[in-house]
Amino acid sequence: NAGVTQTPKFRVLKTGQSMTLLCAQDMNHEYMYWYRQDPGMGLRLIHYSVGEGTTAKGEVPDGYNVSRLKKQNFLLGLESAAPSQTSVYFCASSYRGQGHNEQFFGPGTRLTVL
Amino acid sequence: GENVEQHPSTLSVQEGDSAVIKCTYSDSASNYFPWYKQELGKRPQLIIDIRSNVGEKKDQRIAVTLNKTAKHFSLHITETQPEDSAVYFCAASQRLRSNDYKLSFGAGTTVTVRA
Repeated sequence: NAGVTQTPKFRVLKTGQSMTLLCAQDMNHEYMYWYRQDPGMGLRLIHYSVGEGTTAKGEVPDGYNVSRLKKQNFLLGLESAAPSQTSVYFCASSYRGQGHNEQFFGPGTRLTVL
Repeated sequence: GENVEQHPSTLSVQEGDSAVIKCTYSDSASNYFPWYKQELGKRPQLIIDIRSNVGEKKDQRIAVTLNKTAKHFSLHITETQPEDSAVYFCAASQRLRSNDYKLSFGAGTTVTVRA
């Protein structure tokens, strides 16, 4: 099993460009999450999904959109990238909700917005 | 919402000594407290977790304690080894609605084990 995978691993964007980050998991997990990690700020939840076809906002959702068309995939979109979105993005999944058991993280995507 | 504070932000210990990281949380309804370890350039991985009906849990050289009254929990690493060098994150669950939770993470502690 590959676990949780993310593409791409690295990306450099110019301000105003758009891009989509792809997360895939092969563990048949219901819950999936997108976090951003910035120095000294831990992991902050952007959006999450409790099942196929559903999404919800986390604590820092502005400037991002998500979709969960298939159970195994969770896409994070940036419609008009800004320098403040320079960060490392982690996707995660869990069998049940975060309050119940382990989250499995992907390897991360390092995004730089110039 | 939940606010998780983690201390210290950096910790340097001599190999073989113990390391202790402390976290406090604000939401008295929090019931799940995981700890994640993130090595340089790698993904966070769960190392231990504790639920609110338990006061202490141990797994080999690591242990976690929980004080619900004071709303704080701690990670203890004994007999530290160079491979324990990493960033450690605590987290606390926050219930959003029925069967739906989010995790609030602390800012992280960078642990360096000196040989």
